[in-house]
Amino acid sequence: EDQVTQSPEALRLQEGESSSLNCSYTVSGLRGLFWYRQDPGKGPEFLFTLYSAGEEKEKERLKATLTKKESFLHITAPKPEDSATYLCAVPGAGGYNKLIFGAGTRLAVHP
Amino acid sequence: KAGVTQTPRYLIKTRGQQVTLSCSPISGHRSVSWYQQTPGQGLQFLFEYFSETQRNKGNFPGRFSGRQFSNSRSEMNVSTLELGDSALYLCASSSGQGALETQYFGPGTRLLVL
Repeated sequence: EDQVTQSPEALRLQEGESSSLNCSYTVSGLRGLFWYRQDPGKGPEFLFTLYSAGEEKEKERLKATLTKKESFLHITAPKPEDSATYLCAVPGAGGYNKLIFGAGTRLAVHP
Repeated sequence: KAGVTQTPRYLIKTRGQQVTLSCSPISGHRSVSWYQQTPGQGLQFLFEYFSETQRNKGNFPGRFSGRQFSNSRSEMNVSTLELGDSALYLCASSSGQGALETQYFGPGTRLLVL
């Protein structure tokens, strides 16, 4: 069964303190991986799509990487506005827009 | 371009009642997916509609149903509500043309069942 596991569950950082979030997955034939950001009371906001192992994508202070078994979301010199829950997801079996989500990492960045 | 909209934003119902939630996708998008988000189970896929046809379904009981209209707007219905149905219900839209598309989420409808 397809499964996505994220760690840590929660992370507290000081402003400027860089760190990484992990997303490991067990799927039969990875077809890609998504990262989303979710603020409290809002819907997930799309960040990145990674299509194959070795791929990297960057956006401001965020950089996502993908290997054959896991993905990392690196946050460089975070600011308080980066505080959110970060979710990763993979396409599930059966195709079409069925995403399997991890439980997320709750990030809090303090000034 | 306007984003995905969901109505209502908040809803309070009692056990045994039924509820209908609405989702309007991004203009031009023909696929709408529905998800349930709870603190215990996280985000779980309910079903996906494309061109008024359900293409994919998650592992939820038959009390959860949906439909899509010719203008791509979608509704989901939950009958005989249970306390455990309290959740944030999210819909997401995409063009529906590819196997690995970005889904754009709406703000959600928060349902509380008393």
